[in-house]
Amino acid sequence: DIQMTQSPSSLSASVGDRVTITCRASQSISNYLNWYQQKPGKAPKLLIYAASSLQSGVPSTFSGSGSGTDFTLTISSLQPEDFATYYCQQSYSTPPLTFGGGTKVEIK
Amino acid sequence: EVQLVESGGGLIQPGGSLRLSCAASGLTVSSNYMSWVRQAPGKGLEWVSIIYSGGSTYYADSVKGRFTISRDSSKNTLFLQMNSLRAEDTAVYYCARYYQAYVDYFDYWGQGTLVTVSS
Repeated sequence: DIQMTQSPSSLSASVGDRVTITCRASQSISNYLNWYQQKPGKAPKLLIYAASSLQSGVPSTFSGSGSGTDFTLTISSLQPEDFATYYCQQSYSTPPLTFGGGTKVEIK
Repeated sequence: EVQLVESGGGLIQPGGSLRLSCAASGLTVSSNYMSWVRQAPGKGLEWVSIIYSGGSTYYADSVKGRFTISRDSSKNTLFLQMNSLRAEDTAVYYCARYYQAYVDYFDYWGQGTLVTVSS
């Protein structure tokens, strides 16, 4: 099974900051990598698919990059509504579908 | 507009059984890859099971042999039959569509239903 490791597990940032979250796969997954945002008490929401494609309706302040084993999610200018937990998920070798452990973005 | 509405969660004793439902509108359950994903309190997302449009089913090792995913085309509903429940199955259970594209992804999610396994 492919393991997904996110770092950091949490971070504190201020509105307007640039934030970068990393996801590493235990083996190469090409660009078969998705990112989700989850707010407390809510279902996850798709942000980025295929490593760098922005889901419809998602602000352009979000971007994704990477290929192979190393991926990043970047928020170019953190907004108040962006404080949430972010998960990566690989769809290269499934099942099982695997998620990263999550990165909680908190207000500094 | 696509809507997925889960139901059937609740408090159940260890060893008990529960059946979750996910009623869909705006998409046809039997024509899509549909999945269950759970989230234990304060924890991350864990994939549980998936049913392909062709009917093939797959499970996480943690639930294999205890959980069964199924669907009812006439009701456009996805199910998760959970038997031999354990405390570690306590979680919010989400149903989600796993969209088939060049890179597959979960694009529609329900609001979740809470399952609490406790005596």
